[in-house]
Amino acid sequence: KAGVTQTPRYLIKTRGQQVTLSCSPISGHRSVSWYQQTPGQGLQFLFEYFSETQRNKGNFPGRFSGRQFSNSRSEMNVSTLELGDSALYLCASSLGAGGTYEQYFGPGTRLTVT
Amino acid sequence: DAKTTQPPSMDCAEGRAANLPCNHSTISGNEYVYWYRQIHSQGPQYIIHGLKNNETNEMASLIITEDRKSSTLILPHATLRDTAVYYCIVRARYNTDKLIFGTGTRLQVFP
Repeated sequence: KAGVTQTPRYLIKTRGQQVTLSCSPISGHRSVSWYQQTPGQGLQFLFEYFSETQRNKGNFPGRFSGRQFSNSRSEMNVSTLELGDSALYLCASSLGAGGTYEQYFGPGTRLTVT
Repeated sequence: DAKTTQPPSMDCAEGRAANLPCNHSTISGNEYVYWYRQIHSQGPQYIIHGLKNNETNEMASLIITEDRKSSTLILPHATLRDTAVYYCIVRARYNTDKLIFGTGTRLQVFP
């Protein structure tokens, strides 16, 4: 079974631009979560989706948004990029929402903002 | 804030068992203990999880104390490829997949 895939793997953007990252969960998984990893803040939770509904959101500004489609694929968008948005963005998927279900991560998208 | 405390770093000789401790003294009855590892900025890799019983899989064993306030991840025969940052996470049992990562333990396996 294929793992979680994320596209693109690397991205370079300029301050002020916007970016869309994509995540395809493991087949059959309905829950998708997003995380940001930076050297200074570590791994931080962005938001999670289950059956197209946002269940939970982390402490990030409104410039960060996401959505989930009916096939469970998810996208996250960052508008008006800032230098501090440079990070590894990770997506994770699981069968359902809750600790009963193992959660698997993708390889991440490395975003560089110049 | 993370609900777990881990030593920042540990060393282990190749071929020996690596025992990584984790303190989660405020864990509730509705929370699992999960372990992930991250190798050099790849996506975190799921290792094992447990609620209150000890667990074993092909990668590792998880020993949870009877009071559930601490646990130990055991890699029975560490290899150089096990060098990574290991995260112990307390995860809610229901309704959310949110993981709160701490700073983890950097395990260095040496020849």
